Amino acid sequence: AQSVTQPDIHITVSEGASLELRCNYSYGATPYLFWYVQSPGQGLQLLLKYFSGDTLVQGIKGFEAEFKRSQSSFNLRKPSVHWSDAAEYFCAVGAAGTDKLIFGTGTRLQVFP
Amino acid sequence: GAVVSQHPSRVICKSGTSVKIECRSLDFQATTMFWYRQFPKQSLMLMATSNEGSKATYEQGVEKDKFLINHASLTLSTLTVTSAHPEDSSFYICSARVGGMTYEQYFGPGTRLTVT
Repeated sequence: AQSVTQPDIHITVSEGASLELRCNYSYGATPYLFWYVQSPGQGLQLLLKYFSGDTLVQGIKGFEAEFKRSQSSFNLRKPSVHWSDAAEYFCAVGAAGTDKLIFGTGTRLQVFP
Repeated sequence: GAVVSQHPSRVICKSGTSVKIECRSLDFQATTMFWYRQFPKQSLMLMATSNEGSKATYEQGVEKDKFLINHASLTLSTLTVTSAHPEDSSFYICSARVGGMTYEQYFGPGTRLTVT
């Protein structure tokens, strides 16, 4: 069965530092991969997505993610974090044969000034 | 583009009453909408998939008689929590799939339901 693992439950970084949030997926074929961000009490906003092609994907708010098939990973990165990036981040994969998304458990990002 | 709204954003109701939550796609037509439930500090749990003009498909363990879903038009889906109890208190989020775009979903801002 397909699954998504976000190994880090909680990450704390200083403002201006670089960020990498990890995401590993389990899927046999080329997956459809997504990163969403959720601010407290809000819905989810799509940061970026990967369907095919260039494995380095650019998203909104200065985020990027790299699809690495050999590692079954789709890690989210940002070179310099802003205090407003503090939120919950969810990685998701499209479930084969359906139109559903399978979400990881999320990573909560805390940013210190 | 691809904006999804939910109404209300917060609702408090008494135990035993029913409450309806609306989910609208504002600038696109959504043949498929999804309803999720999210507990504090947890991920999203898919409750059901709603297709316009047909019955919703519920995930295993979700009571279809308790969580009534109606998708009467290409821009509106509703979730009615019937005979609500305190354990139904949660954050409910809907999403809509952009027509023809596999898997890509746009999410509403969520509805906080508190049952007293």
